[in-house]
Amino acid sequence: GDSVTQMEGPVTLSEEAFLTINCTYTATGYPSLFWYVQYPGEGLQLLLKATKADDKGSNKGFEATYRKETTSFHLEKGSVQVSDSAVYFCAAGGSARQLTFGSGTQLTVLP
Amino acid sequence: DAGITQSPRYKITETGRQVTLMCHQTWSHSYMFWYRQDLGHGLRLIYYSAAADITDKGEVPDGYVVSRSKTENFPLTLESATRSQTSVYFCASSESGQNQPQHFGDGTRLSIL
Repeated sequence: GDSVTQMEGPVTLSEEAFLTINCTYTATGYPSLFWYVQYPGEGLQLLLKATKADDKGSNKGFEATYRKETTSFHLEKGSVQVSDSAVYFCAAGGSARQLTFGSGTQLTVLP
Repeated sequence: DAGITQSPRYKITETGRQVTLMCHQTWSHSYMFWYRQDLGHGLRLIYYSAAADITDKGEVPDGYVVSRSKTENFPLTLESATRSQTSVYFCASSESGQNQPQHFGDGTRLSIL
């Protein structure tokens, strides 16, 4: 079946540091790929998405590129802020019209 | 306002009781989903629905029942609650499924004593 593996946390960074959260997937065909963010006490919010190979999704300074050759969709941000502290989930839209989620990565940004 | 709402936000109940979690969306999305979120497991799909009167099992359906008599509502029932069902439950919806993002409610935190 489909699966998503993302880097384990927690990740702690200083403000303005560079962020990378790794995500790889296993899926049949060419799934759409998503990053979601969850702030404390809230549901998941869509952060960005990419629907085909070499697409780059971007939002709020975050970026991720759909790499078919490495089956990856790593999340990056050049300069994190304290307000980016949250849990980040990578997800793949597989053949069964469902999303398969990674286990989540807790990010804490210190001032 | 348009969106997806879950109720209640918090619920405490006892082992063996029946409890129903409600989910309502105003977008007329075809697909709706129920997940549970537990530490160390991320989100796991319980049930989903492709349209009114069409439901299907997800990864962890045992102990849960769903129905979808109207497009906008997708209640989740625990017929006889167990402590292992203590979790945070999220409802989500999407327009068509596979390549569409899912939109999540704020969750229901359920504690079973």
